[in-house]
Amino acid sequence: AQTVTQSQPEMSVQEAETVTLSCTYDTSESDYYLFWYKQPPSRQMILVIRQEAYKQQNATENRFSVNFQKAAKSFSLKISDSQLGDAAMYFCAYRSDGGGADGLTFGKGTHLIIQP
Amino acid sequence: NAGVTQTPKFQVLKTGQSMTLQCAQDMNHNSMYWYRQDPGMGLRLIYYSASEGTTDKGEVPNGYNVSRLNKREFSLRLESAAPSQTSVYFCASSPGLAGYNEQFFGPGTRLTVL
Repeated sequence: AQTVTQSQPEMSVQEAETVTLSCTYDTSESDYYLFWYKQPPSRQMILVIRQEAYKQQNATENRFSVNFQKAAKSFSLKISDSQLGDAAMYFCAYRSDGGGADGLTFGKGTHLIIQP
Repeated sequence: NAGVTQTPKFQVLKTGQSMTLQCAQDMNHNSMYWYRQDPGMGLRLIYYSASEGTTDKGEVPNGYNVSRLNKREFSLRLESAAPSQTSVYFCASSPGLAGYNEQFFGPGTRLTVL
């Protein structure tokens, strides 16, 4: 079974600064997908960014980018120019390429605090 | 488009009571999922439905049953609620089971079992 580990229960960053959230995962598969989800206080789960394991190029979405290191099984999220609206829980998630019973496997989350 | 809707938003049960959590999506998605989120934990998969008429167990299915009523609706039933089932429950849907498909989540149901 796959596991996802987020080693930072909480991170704090000043508004407009850059912050990196860490995620490592364990799998024996070669084809899979990795995701970062944001969960604000409203509880709504919102997809932030997605990375296909077969792609070497790191995914970017506006101020959000990832550092995907397949050999190291590492998938960190960088948030540039942090904004107050970025304050939330962030979950790293893994999904097998075959989908099915594995669904999404989530880490325990990192609580991101934005200091004004 | 409402996306994924869940009812109720909050519920308090006594141990042994039963209830059904409702979920509906209007995105014409084939696959639907139920997850639970406990404090300090990520979401864990309870059951999923690859397509209308099929359901399968996820990581933590014990104590739950599901019904894929039609393509739009996927319900989760607790037959005899236990305090260990106190959690926030999320329904999600995706176009299909393939790993690249984004899962779209509902707003969640906070369930407390006393």
